[in-house]
Amino acid sequence: KAGVTQTPRYLIKTRGQQVTLSCSPISGHRSVSWYQQTPGQGLQFLFEYFSETQRNKGNFPGRFSGRQFSNSRSEMNVSTLELGDSALYLCASSLVFGAGENTDTQYFGPGTRLTVL
Amino acid sequence: GDSVTQMEGPVTLSEEAFLTINCTYTATGYPSLFWYVQYPGEGLQLLLKATKADDKGSNKGFEATYRKETTSFHLEKGSVQVSDSAVYFCALRAFGDDKIIFGKGTRLHILP
Repeated sequence: KAGVTQTPRYLIKTRGQQVTLSCSPISGHRSVSWYQQTPGQGLQFLFEYFSETQRNKGNFPGRFSGRQFSNSRSEMNVSTLELGDSALYLCASSLVFGAGENTDTQYFGPGTRLTVL
Repeated sequence: GDSVTQMEGPVTLSEEAFLTINCTYTATGYPSLFWYVQYPGEGLQLLLKATKADDKGSNKGFEATYRKETTSFHLEKGSVQVSDSAVYFCALRAFGDDKIIFGKGTRLHILP
């Protein structure tokens, strides 16, 4: 079974531009989460989608947005890029959403490394 | 809020040494606990997990036990290899929540 795929793997943009990142979850997985990884702040949760609905959101400004399609593929968008948005953006998918010890684990993609100049 | 604290690195060990990476957490209720590993240039891979108190997660020679009384989930391995060099993240997921809260990560260097 193919893993989580993210495109593109590397991206260079300039301040003020916008960017769209894509994530294809593992086949059959319906929950997709996004994380930002930086050396200073570590791994921080951006948002989570399940069945095309945003179910959870981290503490990021409104410039960060996302969506999920009916095939569970997800995109995130960052508008008006700032230098501080340079990071590795990780997508993770899981089979189910919610609680309980049998809830499935999140599986991560390789990430998209975004550099803002 | 919920949080994870893990020992800062880098940690440098010789091959075949014993490894411990400390991790403690703060959370209400009964979170699930994870260790993820990130090899250079790659995303995160789940190493092991535990979902209730006293559970022991294990994989590839690594072990961690969910200790509710000390709110800890320390990672151990009896004999490390050069190939274990990576960054290790301790993490939790609160009951009823799908986001994962990560520690800052611990970089591990194993010398041959």
